Amino acid sequence: AQKITQTQPGMFVQEKEAVTLDCTYDTSDPSYGLFWYKQPSSGEMIFLIYQGSYDQQNATEGRYSLNFQKARKSANLVISASQLGDSAMYFCAMSSDYKLSFGAGTTVTVRA
Amino acid sequence: SAVISQKPSRDICQRGTSLTIQCQVDSQVTMMFWYRQQPGQSLTLIATANQGSEATYESGFVIDKFPISRPNLTFSTLTVSNMSPEDSSIYLCSVDSTGGQSYNEQFFGPGTRLTVL
Repeated sequence: AQKITQTQPGMFVQEKEAVTLDCTYDTSDPSYGLFWYKQPSSGEMIFLIYQGSYDQQNATEGRYSLNFQKARKSANLVISASQLGDSAMYFCAMSSDYKLSFGAGTTVTVRA
Repeated sequence: SAVISQKPSRDICQRGTSLTIQCQVDSQVTMMFWYRQQPGQSLTLIATANQGSEATYESGFVIDKFPISRPNLTFSTLTVSNMSPEDSSIYLCSVDSTGGQSYNEQFFGPGTRLTVL
């Protein structure tokens, strides 16, 4: 069984500052993928970044980077230079057998 | 990345009725998935829809309540049957555009926001 844990229900961040969203996971599968999605109030799920369990380097996509620490089973998302449009719910997810398991989510509010 | 559309985008339904949600992809995909997101909650996988075979349901979800069709590689439907207010949720379809060859391509449709009165 897989489990994704996001311990931060909500966070506030000042515009232009960086924010780190925590995610830990538990799996016995040797091969898996880790995802972060953004869900604005409209409800759509926007893919942000992906990290494979065998990837040696941390994934980066523009202002998003994933701090992957395999031994600690953590996959934290870092958003640099926060913008007002970053205010949303953020979900960490893990894939196994092509199906996604999601964490509870973290609400990020960016303040001007 | 695959472009996914869903119909309807939202609906308000009476209890006891059924609603069919459509998911259309702009390219052929092997795997399509249906998720439910109850208010204030995370996403939960309902079932995997595979073309040419019956859908595979996750624990807690049954075919009688959530029948799924997958007539071809670009289209799927999810029906929410005999609805109750507890079925009020956002229903999302997603696709694995790599045909199961990679973990790194999982995209979602815009979702269907369902309210049951």
